[in-house]
Amino acid sequence: EAQVTQNPRYLITVTGKKLTVTCSQNMNHEYMSWYRQDPGLGLRQIYYSMNVEVTDKGDVPEGYKVSRKEKRNFPLILESPSPNQTSLYFCASRGTSGRLNGELFFGEGSRLTVL
Amino acid sequence: GQSLEQPSEVTAVEGAIVQINCTYQTSGFYGLSWYQQHDGGAPTFLSYNGLDGLEETGRFSSFLSRSDSYGYLLLQELQMKDSASYFCARGNTPLVFGKGTRLSVIA
Repeated sequence: EAQVTQNPRYLITVTGKKLTVTCSQNMNHEYMSWYRQDPGLGLRQIYYSMNVEVTDKGDVPEGYKVSRKEKRNFPLILESPSPNQTSLYFCASRGTSGRLNGELFFGEGSRLTVL
Repeated sequence: GQSLEQPSEVTAVEGAIVQINCTYQTSGFYGLSWYQQHDGGAPTFLSYNGLDGLEETGRFSSFLSRSDSYGYLLLQELQMKDSASYFCARGNTPLVFGKGTRLSVIA
């Protein structure tokens, strides 16, 4: 089954304690992206990656890091989480060859609370 | 930052037709997509317009006018299960989303 898998789905942590949210896709997609979703603000892009070892900042990259060492994995790293990073996080991927239909495949989301 | 504008909320009656509009800034335009998100769920792809005109997929249609920097999503024969948030998104990679329109379908 084609899917994007995020872990953990739910996490409560404390300020300053480093955490990583993993994302893996099994569709051989080149493009992967992280979004955060907050009430009234929609989906805001944090970082994206066009392919292995290629990453770029989105609209709200501050406080986050990413890496793309393998095509299937795109982890999101919060080195020193703060309460304003409490949010719902989505990882997404799509292929970049063929028809440009804009279709992103999303993971189920990771709800993070930073106390 | 956000470069798409769509209404924050829309309410419509079951069985009716509703149109959700989206206007966008024109720089670097690569098509307009629409996504649906139910409460507690992930966004799912509905449609894409790369060229002007109407794209139809069952009860849902999407329209694009590049000269007007404008598009809309049309939902026909509304059902209660259509109550969700709908996002327009521009671009390809990266894809930038609007803030979403919350559609409430009432009996």
